[in-house]
Amino acid sequence: ETGVTQSPTHLIKTRGQQVTLRCSSQSGHNTVSWYQQALGQGPQFIFQYYREEENGRGNFPPRFSGLQFPNYSSELNVNALELDDSALYLCASSLDSQETQYFGPGTRLLVL
Amino acid sequence: SQKIEQNSEALNIQEGKTATLTCNYTNYSPAYLQWYRQDPGRGPVFLLLIRENEKEKRKERLKVTFDTTLKQSLFHITASQPADSATYLCALGNYGGSQGNLIFGKGTKLSVKP
Repeated sequence: ETGVTQSPTHLIKTRGQQVTLRCSSQSGHNTVSWYQQALGQGPQFIFQYYREEENGRGNFPPRFSGLQFPNYSSELNVNALELDDSALYLCASSLDSQETQYFGPGTRLLVL
Repeated sequence: SQKIEQNSEALNIQEGKTATLTCNYTNYSPAYLQWYRQDPGRGPVFLLLIRENEKEKRKERLKVTFDTTLKQSLFHITASQPADSATYLCALGNYGGSQGNLIFGKGTKLSVKP
């Protein structure tokens, strides 16, 4: 069984740029959720994709967008990066939006 | 708005003792509560889930309780070991809507000294 993987592991961008983060869900899982975790804070829900459709969104502006592909992998896109977007971005997968989510190792984004 | 508080940012205990971590919440009625472990620079790892109609759950040296009247969960690690040192996160969830919408606390950093 393959776990959740994310790429890249680290990324440095400058303010105003755009970034795309990628996530491969655990084998057999059709639901992917994205979270933002600032230093010293708990993860904050960005949005969830279930079978290629957005299935809920947290309190994040529209410049945070996502996609889920037919193989259930997913992308998180952030436009017009701001300094406060610096954080660990976590992807979690589950089966049919079940309660238990399996997290990937995260992508550490630094915005300068 | 919903608020989750985990009792302290850091908890230091001696090896072999029982660690007790607290999670309190307000303005929310979760259908279930989860505890995760997070090591530095890594993603959270699921430990236990307890539903609103359950009082207690156990898994090996771990025990979690859930009191919906007090709006509180206690997480216990018995016979603690230095390898248990990590940050522990509590998360609340509900059915319906997006079940991905877990609301996390800030976490408690546990240090177990030999």
